[in-house]
Amino acid sequence: DGGITQSPKYLFRKEGQNVTLSCEQNLNHDAMYWYRQDPGQGLRLIYYSQIVNDFQKGDIAEGYSVSREKKESFPLTVTSAQKNPTAFYLCASSIESTEAFFGQGTRLTVV
Amino acid sequence: AQKVTQAQTEISVVEKEDVTLDCVYETRDTTYYLFWYKQPPSGELVFLIRRNSFDEQNEISGRYSWNFQKSTSSFNFTITASQVVDSAVYFCALSEIYNQGGKLIFGQGTELSVKP
Repeated sequence: DGGITQSPKYLFRKEGQNVTLSCEQNLNHDAMYWYRQDPGQGLRLIYYSQIVNDFQKGDIAEGYSVSREKKESFPLTVTSAQKNPTAFYLCASSIESTEAFFGQGTRLTVV
Repeated sequence: AQKVTQAQTEISVVEKEDVTLDCVYETRDTTYYLFWYKQPPSGELVFLIRRNSFDEQNEISGRYSWNFQKSTSSFNFTITASQVVDSAVYFCALSEIYNQGGKLIFGQGTELSVKP
């Protein structure tokens, strides 16, 4: 079935570690996005990419990095510079102005 | 500034009641999209509807209906005869850039609890 796969579902990070969240889609969508969700808040855009080998910062990019080497994949790295990384992370994809499709999310916890 | 406000943080209803979720938005653009998404406990956001700024017709899909009023910058969502399966967090969102459907500005979400 076509869709967006995020892994892992749960991730634990120690202080000072970098961790990478995976996002893969087989919908043949050009654009991909990463959002962060905190309790009681809406989703906030971290990074997005409209085409392979190109990406732009969203509203809260500090402490995060991404790559887009393949159309299907848009991994997000949470670096040690992100001081409060505990959150729920959602990946999405879309074609131009159509609605975005979301993955099932990764819940990241700092231990 | 672009902003989406969902003033209702939590709503609790009894099954079969009708419930309306409010959404107010701010934008300077004349061309934009409005969306509603549902987030069940599993976490994935499920697309419900997209409405463009030129189309103010109300829409009905089964028990769901949407009321878009540009004059009040509102895009409210009504569930008729609510069911327990409707329990979820609902997000209203705005897309200002015409060709980037996933670059969204979200409201804070409304958590709907439908009790049997």
